Amino acid sequence: GENVEQHPSTLSVQEGDSAVIKCTYSDSASNYFPWYKQELGKRPQLIIDIRSNVGEKKDQRIAVTLNKTAKHFSLHITETQPEDSAVYFCAASIGGGTASKLTFGTGTRLQVTL
Amino acid sequence: DAGVIQSPRHEVTEMGQEVTLRCKPISGHDYLFWYRQTMMRGLELLIYFNNNVPIDDSGMPEDRFSAKMPNASFSTLKIQPSEPRDSAVYFCASSWNTEAFFGQGTRLTVV
Repeated sequence: GENVEQHPSTLSVQEGDSAVIKCTYSDSASNYFPWYKQELGKRPQLIIDIRSNVGEKKDQRIAVTLNKTAKHFSLHITETQPEDSAVYFCAASIGGGTASKLTFGTGTRLQVTL
Repeated sequence: DAGVIQSPRHEVTEMGQEVTLRCKPISGHDYLFWYRQTMMRGLELLIYFNNNVPIDDSGMPEDRFSAKMPNASFSTLKIQPSEPRDSAVYFCASSWNTEAFFGQGTRLTVV
C-alpha cells in the first residue's frame, strides 16, 4: 500500500518567516495530494490540494509543489502568522483523483513565534 | 448543511465494555471514512465505504472492531470488548469528489 513520510515533525519559525514542510510518497499511482491543518483540539481541515497533472498551486500565502518523478511534494507558507500555528498533515490518494483512500503523513507541528 | 456530525464527543468507558461511535455524513457524499488519531501513530484509516458498501477494512486493527453503514446518512464504529489501547480520537469523514470533510471527532478513553 501507499506510504507517506513527512518531515520535519516539528518546526518553529519567527513570525513573518517562511515555513516549508516536505512529504514523500511511495506509490507512483497516487494522483491527489491534499494538505490538512489541524488546530489544537479541532478537526483536520483542508487548506490546499494538488493533482498530479499540476506542478504547483498557490493560494495567497500558501503554495504546494509536486515533483512526480521524485515522488515528493511540499507545502510552503510565506509571511507566517501566529494563527498558522497548528499541526499540518500531508496525504496522498490513489483513488483516481478522489479522496477515496487518503494515506496521511505523520504530521508537522508548526509553531510561529512572535 | 451542518457538516459531518459525530456522537458522542467524549466517551469514557471501562475495559471490556462495548463502545459504539456514530457518524452522520454530509448529505450527498458517497464516501465515508473512519480514522483513528493517536500521538504515536498519527491519523490511521480504519475503514471506508463507498455508497454504503465497505470497500477497504484493512486498517481495522482487530476483530474487536466493526463498522456498519446501513444507509447513506448513518454509520457506526463498534469496539467490543474495548481495551485501554483503544483510547484515541476517532474521526469520521465524508467526501463526494476530492475534499474529505472531517467531523469533530470522538475522544474515547478506556480505563
